[in-house]
Formats: sequence, C-alpha cells, structure tokens
Amino acid sequence: QVQLQESGPGLVKPSQTLSLTCTVSGGSITSGYYYWNWIRQPAGKGLEWIGRIYTSGSTNYNPSLKNRVSISVDTSKNHFSLRLSSVTAADTAMYYCARDDFRSLYYAMDVWGQGTTVTVSS
Amino acid sequence: EIVLTQSPGTLSLSPGERATLSCRASQSVARSYLAWYQQKPGQAPRLLIYGASSRATGIPDRFSGSGSGTDFTLTISRLEPEDLAVYYCQQYGSSPLFTFGPGTKVQIK
Repeated sequence: QVQLQESGPGLVKPSQTLSLTCTVSGGSITSGYYYWNWIRQPAGKGLEWIGRIYTSGSTNYNPSLKNRVSISVDTSKNHFSLRLSSVTAADTAMYYCARDDFRSLYYAMDVWGQGTTVTVSS
Repeated sequence: EIVLTQSPGTLSLSPGERATLSCRASQSVARSYLAWYQQKPGQAPRLLIYGASSRATGIPDRFSGSGSGTDFTLTISRLEPEDLAVYYCQQYGSSPLFTFGPGTKVQIK
C-alpha cells in the first residue's frame, strides 16, 4: 500500500525558507486520481491545510499562506516538496503530507505521512 | 470562507456508551465533501468517514456519519478504550479549499 514519508530540517531560522519533501513509496505518484497535500498542526492545536499539487504541476494554496508557499513535484523521484519562505515562530508546527482522492473519496485524505516537526528559532 | 464549528469541545464517556459529535458549518457544505478524521495521541490523522456518511476502508461499523447542509454528525455507537482521540471534521470546496473544524476530544472514563 502507498506510504508517505516527510523529510527535511527540523530547525529553521526566522526569515529563512522552510523546505520539506514527501516521498511516496508503494506506488507511483502519477498513478490514480490523487492530489498531494501539505497540512500543518502547531503543538496542541488543530489542522491547517497549506496547499496541494497534482502531478501535472497544477497547484492550489491556502490564501493565508499564498504569498509565501510553493509546492512542487518531481515525478522521477516520486516525491513532492514544500517551500515556505520568510518563516516566523508562528510557522513552528508538525508538518504532514497527505493524499486526497478525487475519484473515489470526494477529495478526502486517505493516506498521511507520520509528520515531521519543524521549529523556527534562532 | 466556510468556518466549521465542532461540539462539544470535550466528551467524556464510559466504554460501551454512545458518542455523538457535531460539526456545524457557517455555510452549506456539499454533502459529498464532508469528511471526519480521528487523531490519536502522537499519531497522524486517520480518515474515518468521507462523503458525510461512507466509512473509509478498514473503519469499524461502530463509526457512522450523517447530516447535510450545515449540520453533520459523527456517531460512535459503542465506545471502546482505543477510541480515545481527537476527531476533526473537514470540508472541501470553499476557499480555502480544505478547512478543518477545531476538533472534539473524546475521553474514556
């Protein structure tokens, strides 16, 4: 079955750019009717959708982050990536990648990575 | 932006009891685009219900979803100790494309 694994630096300095990668295993990122998402969750708080990408490169972003966020996909490496610029302490959170299925599940997110903690601090 | 409100904030029940969790939207949500997730401590969220009432693969039948328009419900018919978790509703379709409710924490007495 498809599994997702986030990777990237756990500590980022304020004003710098956060970069994370989500590697897809157990299946091709190009197969099926899926979008590939990033979601974050500050410690003890709720979930915030950041954005998503289709393998064509088409993206959707949360307007609250749109000016700072970029999501890309590398089908040859079977992974997709998140870049969030000009980070502040407010960007400290657990970052999850997840797949949403638009053919069978009405865009519900049925596969999630285990998450990776990112702390913004000098 | 559609805002999702969940109630109660915390629910404390005994094993075997029925849990009823509410999700209310500030605007009508297309029925097909309402999902519920379970997040156990230290874990990623897990999809329980999609399309407001369809159980995801492998989800026990004690979990059920219902509702339409602005009012949706997740019911756990007979609580088990492993149901200790925070439950989130999520809508798709209105900007931002996905929004989550603040969650309901289910505690087991």
